[in-house]
Formats: sequence, structure tokens, C-alpha cells
Amino acid sequence: DQQVKQNSPSLSVQEGRISILNCDYTNSMFDYFLWYKKYPAEGPTFLISISSIKDKNEDGRFTVFLNKSAKHLSLHIVPSQPGDSAVYFCAATGGGNKLTFGTGTQLKVEL
Amino acid sequence: ETGVTQTPRHLVMGMTNKKSLKCEQHLGHNAMYWYKQSAKKPLELMFVYSLEERVENNSVPSRFSPECPNSSHLFLHLHTLQPEDSALYLCASSQEAPSGMGREQYFGPGTRLTVT
Repeated sequence: DQQVKQNSPSLSVQEGRISILNCDYTNSMFDYFLWYKKYPAEGPTFLISISSIKDKNEDGRFTVFLNKSAKHLSLHIVPSQPGDSAVYFCAATGGGNKLTFGTGTQLKVEL
Repeated sequence: ETGVTQTPRHLVMGMTNKKSLKCEQHLGHNAMYWYKQSAKKPLELMFVYSLEERVENNSVPSRFSPECPNSSHLFLHLHTLQPEDSALYLCASSQEAPSGMGREQYFGPGTRLTVT
């Protein structure tokens, strides 16, 4: 039973436009959410996080939105750049140090 | 060296071999993790060590044996593996923090394991 779901395995966006990656979760005990980016042949790199006491967190071109009632979070990248092409993983935790990951979304930013 | 390093980066082993994966973190963290990533599946947490003590073992078969001699080093000893164990094995570290803050984990580049 997957508690963190990324239903879009891939997304293609033009350079300069907005990329929106989505993530849904089922466990209401989750209170901290993270996004990771992964390039081929590298480990996942931490990108941005959000606590359940907030509904938005922004860091440069990256913004994460959290909708607790819908158990949904999204990552917005604007403007998208070719270097953003990677696999993006959503992760969640309900305390302690156990992260539950989604299956990832492959983002391709085209020129 | 900075961040989290893993060796070897690639490993091919037979089902009767014994090998070890090594992970080292240079971030001063006090928790370390082993994950398995198979194709089209989410990262699966295998083991967690906090302050050098194993705090989680996610029903991992005994052919995988972790070892954490100190807070900077983590090993995964492998023996009599099966072909379905072929995957990317990732090590991560983090600093234990009060609930709600700073639970980011930092990953190494992984070891691509192939069992023949």
C-alpha cells in the first residue's frame, strides 16, 4: 500500500514555462514533506521541504504548496530551465527519521 | 571528500559471493540509512542507525547484514544474494532533530549492484 503517490511518471515542459509536479499522500500522521531531485548516476539531492503548519514554502525558483485537507502537495518550478531535467521524488515523514518516498516524476525541460 | 560517499559505485557478484558496500558521511550527522531502489519502485528503507545503534530493520532478508562501527561509517555486508536483489543501493545521513524541523536526509551516489 503506497502512502505517497506520484501519479505522473513523466512531465515535459518548455524552457521558461512553469513546471508543476504533484504528490498525494494517504497517511494523516505525516507532518513534514520534502522534495528531492535525482540525476542519472547520482543520489537524490534535497531540494525543498515544508512543515504541515505551513501551506507554502518558497526558495528561489522553487515553491512547494501543501493542501492538508486534500492530502496533496505540489512543487512549482518557475521559470523552468534545461538543467532542471531530472527525476523528482516527493517524500513524507510523521516524526522520527523514516521517510516514505513516492515513485518519482521524470521532468524534461525542452528548449 | 565532502557529503556522503559510497564505494564501490558498481558491483557485479555471483550468488555465492560475499561482498560489502561502504558508505562514509563527512557532514557530522548522527544517523545513517540504507535504501534500495529498484526500477519503477519507490526508494525502500532497509536499515536505520541512530547514534550507531540500529533502530529500524524493515523486514530485510538476513542475506543483507548492516554494520555501523561509528557515526561516520556504514557498511552493508552481502552474501548469497539472489538476482532479484539487483538494484541501486543508496546510503544517506541526517542529523536527528526535534519533531517538525530539519529531517532532510543527504544521499550518496549509490552502488549499482548486479547479481548474476
